[in-house]
Amino acid sequence: EAGVAQSPRYKIIEKRQSVAFWCNPISGHATLYWYQQILGQGPKLLIQFQNNGVVDDSQLPKDRFSAERLKGVDSTLKIQPAKLEDSAVYLCASSLDPQSYEQYFGPGTRLTVT
Amino acid sequence: KNQVEQSPQSLIILEGKNCTLQCNYTVSPFSNLRWYKQDTGRGPVSLTIMTFSENTKSNGRYTATLDADTKQSSLHITASQLSDSASYICVVSAIGGSYIPTFGRGTSLIVHP
Repeated sequence: EAGVAQSPRYKIIEKRQSVAFWCNPISGHATLYWYQQILGQGPKLLIQFQNNGVVDDSQLPKDRFSAERLKGVDSTLKIQPAKLEDSAVYLCASSLDPQSYEQYFGPGTRLTVT
Repeated sequence: KNQVEQSPQSLIILEGKNCTLQCNYTVSPFSNLRWYKQDTGRGPVSLTIMTFSENTKSNGRYTATLDADTKQSSLHITASQLSDSASYICVVSAIGGSYIPTFGRGTSLIVHP
């Protein structure tokens, strides 16, 4: 079974630039999560999708972050404009459904904002 | 407010020794508790999952315990190996709503030869 795929693996941008991350969840997984993990901390949930609908985005900085999951499969997370404090690893995870105990994580995208 | 606190923040042990990591939580109502291992530069990988009725769960050299009354969990690693060097993250989910998980900050474990 293929795992959660993410790209790019690394990205370096200057502040005020924009960036987009892509995630392809495990086939058949209806629930998709985006997390932000700052160095030395645990992951922080940014947004949770159920199919192509948003379940929770209460911690997503909506003035600069946006995410979509068209057709309920792949998802993209965008930051525009980026700030220095956005430097982090962005993890995508998927699960069969919200009640599923098991979340499967991708390798993450390491973003550095200079 | 739902919170998960882990201790110690970091731990250094010698190869072959045992160690125990702690997780205290205030998440309510409790649904499940998971321990993840996160190698440097990789996403977290699940080690154990426990629900309210389970008080111990093993996965090879990893054994997790859960005391739902005191809201505490521990992860015991037996006969540590160099490959155990990683961050160990405790995650607790509440029942209902969208089952949003609450993550701890993790314990960084370094195993020296």
